[in-house]
Amino acid sequence: DTGVSQDPRHKITKRGQNVTFRCDPISEHNRLYWYRQTLGQGPEFLTYFQNEAQLEKSRLLSDRFSAERPKGSFSTLEIQRTEQGDSAMYLCASSFLDGQGKDTDTQYFGPGTRLTVL
Amino acid sequence: AQTVTQSQPEMSVQEAETVTLSCTYDTSESDYYLFWYKQPPSRQMILVIRQEAYKQQNATENRFSVNFQKAAKSFSLKISDSQLGDAAMYFCAYRRLGNTPLVFGKGTRLSVIA
Repeated sequence: DTGVSQDPRHKITKRGQNVTFRCDPISEHNRLYWYRQTLGQGPEFLTYFQNEAQLEKSRLLSDRFSAERPKGSFSTLEIQRTEQGDSAMYLCASSFLDGQGKDTDTQYFGPGTRLTVL
Repeated sequence: AQTVTQSQPEMSVQEAETVTLSCTYDTSESDYYLFWYKQPPSRQMILVIRQEAYKQQNATENRFSVNFQKAAKSFSLKISDSQLGDAAMYFCAYRRLGNTPLVFGKGTRLSVIA
């Protein structure tokens, strides 16, 4: 168990550029979540996946944001035409839900990707 | 919609003393989960303790314990024998059943004074 990993850890970009972040969950985890955390705030939910299916998207996820989990393993979060308001820490978390829907598992978080839009 | 409120933006405690962090939440669900997460300056979120709403017994994990008052929708965290390594942001979080997304409070920054 190597934990949840995220890449890159830091990203600085100019307004209007596109950026893509990657999240690798704990290997046996079938649920993957993306959260955004701005300075001084708690994380806010963006979207989540069960295997490769995207189950829910927050109203925070504008049309410029897209997330994928093509093979049910790693996930990518892309932001197109970045704006200064997109500057935040983007957190990924994973968990496991068994076939009977047994709800016992905790979400484990990665270290995050800090995005700065100039 | 569910909301989580942490009314203490900052708290401080002397090393070896006890501190209690407050959290209230709002939900119409009868079964749910509550969590306390710790986020040290390195910023990786770590689970401290969890509580299932259907369990009346308060959860404990070593020096960490909770006071869960379901009727009052209150979920406080008590840290006993505080250590310098306890200094961090602490977030209270809620989620419905079914491994759904977490709803976080704004956090409490805990300082530990040597």
